[in-house]
Amino acid sequence: GDSVTQMEGPVTLSEEAFLTINCTYTATGYPSLFWYVQYPGEGLQLLLKATKADDKGSNKGFEATYRKETTSFHLEKGSVQVSDSAVYFCALVIKAAGNKLTFGGGTRVLVKP
Amino acid sequence: ETGVTQSPTHLIKTRGQQVTLRCSSQSGHNTVSWYQQALGQGPQFIFQYYREEENGRGNFPPRFSGLQFPNYSSELNVNALELDDSALYLCASSPPGPPGVNEQFFGPGTRLTVL
Repeated sequence: GDSVTQMEGPVTLSEEAFLTINCTYTATGYPSLFWYVQYPGEGLQLLLKATKADDKGSNKGFEATYRKETTSFHLEKGSVQVSDSAVYFCALVIKAAGNKLTFGGGTRVLVKP
Repeated sequence: ETGVTQSPTHLIKTRGQQVTLRCSSQSGHNTVSWYQQALGQGPQFIFQYYREEENGRGNFPPRFSGLQFPNYSSELNVNALELDDSALYLCASSPPGPPGVNEQFFGPGTRLTVL
């Protein structure tokens, strides 16, 4: 079946540090890939997405590139802020199988001033 | 524009009871999906409704059932509650269009505790 594996947290960083969260996937079909973010006390929000190989999704200084050869979609940000403290989820949808999101287990990120 | 709303916010039930959770989709969205998020884990897909019919189901037993209404709002019903049903239940709506491309917009969730 389809699955998403992401690095376990928590990840603790200082402000302005570089952030990488690894995400790899297995898929029975051709997936679209997503990063969702869950801020404390809030619902899930789409952070960025990529729908085909070599696409780069970007938003709010975050980037992730769809790498079909390594089945990966790692999330990066060059300089984190305290406000980036949240739980980040990598997810996929198989385009031919409807709109079912398959999520990874989530990575908690804590940015300290 | 009103986003996805869910009610109630919190709920406490005892084992064996039944529960109904409600979701109002975002305006113009005709597809609603439900997810279960256990503490410290990623959301798990329960099922999806499109034009009032179930359109895909995850690995959940039949005691999890749902409805979608003509205005695209939806209900999740869980019968014979078990302790492991304690979780955050998320509803997501998406607009018409090709699957796998359109964003799903999530509500804030309903926190269910089963004692």
